[in-house]
Amino acid sequence: SAVISQKPSRDICQRGTSLTIQCQVDSQVTMMFWYRQQPGQSLTLIATANQGSEATYESGFVIDKFPISRPNLTFSTLTVSNMSPEDSSIYLCSVEGGVPQETQYFGPGTRLLVL
Amino acid sequence: GDSVTQMEGPVTLSEEAFLTINCTYTATGYPSLFWYVQYPGEGLQLLLKATKADDKGSNKGFEATYRKETTSFHLEKGSVQVSDSAVYFCALSASGGGADGLTFGKGTHLIIQP
Repeated sequence: SAVISQKPSRDICQRGTSLTIQCQVDSQVTMMFWYRQQPGQSLTLIATANQGSEATYESGFVIDKFPISRPNLTFSTLTVSNMSPEDSSIYLCSVEGGVPQETQYFGPGTRLLVL
Repeated sequence: GDSVTQMEGPVTLSEEAFLTINCTYTATGYPSLFWYVQYPGEGLQLLLKATKADDKGSNKGFEATYRKETTSFHLEKGSVQVSDSAVYFCALSASGGGADGLTFGKGTHLIIQP
């Protein structure tokens, strides 16, 4: 399976600021996904990021709040903008591929606390 | 829309006990079904998957069978170990693979006592 790394692994931020999370994959992948896991909750898909096109956002998530970049086939960033305490979550990126195929593999996550 | 429902936790068992974690789903079409596991302090890992009705996924002694008639994908293991203590997530992919985002259940925290 693909090896996925995320930076930072955790951060504590002040409300009103923004944080950019990086996701790096050790192989070229077409599809990258960003999820949020709020405390005590399940994972919720934020958006799908394909290289060379605009990200596709799920209902309840907007580009102004969660801008995403996908400059190449191994890298993506998610920015959490104008943060509030409600944004405190674990943010995970995932990619499709590897063995078995047609399966998503997840990065280690970024644990964000907003004060 | 699509949804996944799994039993609430925490589930506490003794070592060598039989494990069942229930998972049912609602989806249009023919989704693929997954179990992911999150060990303490680690990331989310694929445990097993099944892509069509009556398929059985298996890994590390865990099994789950895709039951279309009951829209279920229950996770089972015959004899659990302390090292199986983790959070288990049931998930589905409506596209049948990894091309779309996954829909997850809320997760079941499993605690195995020696």
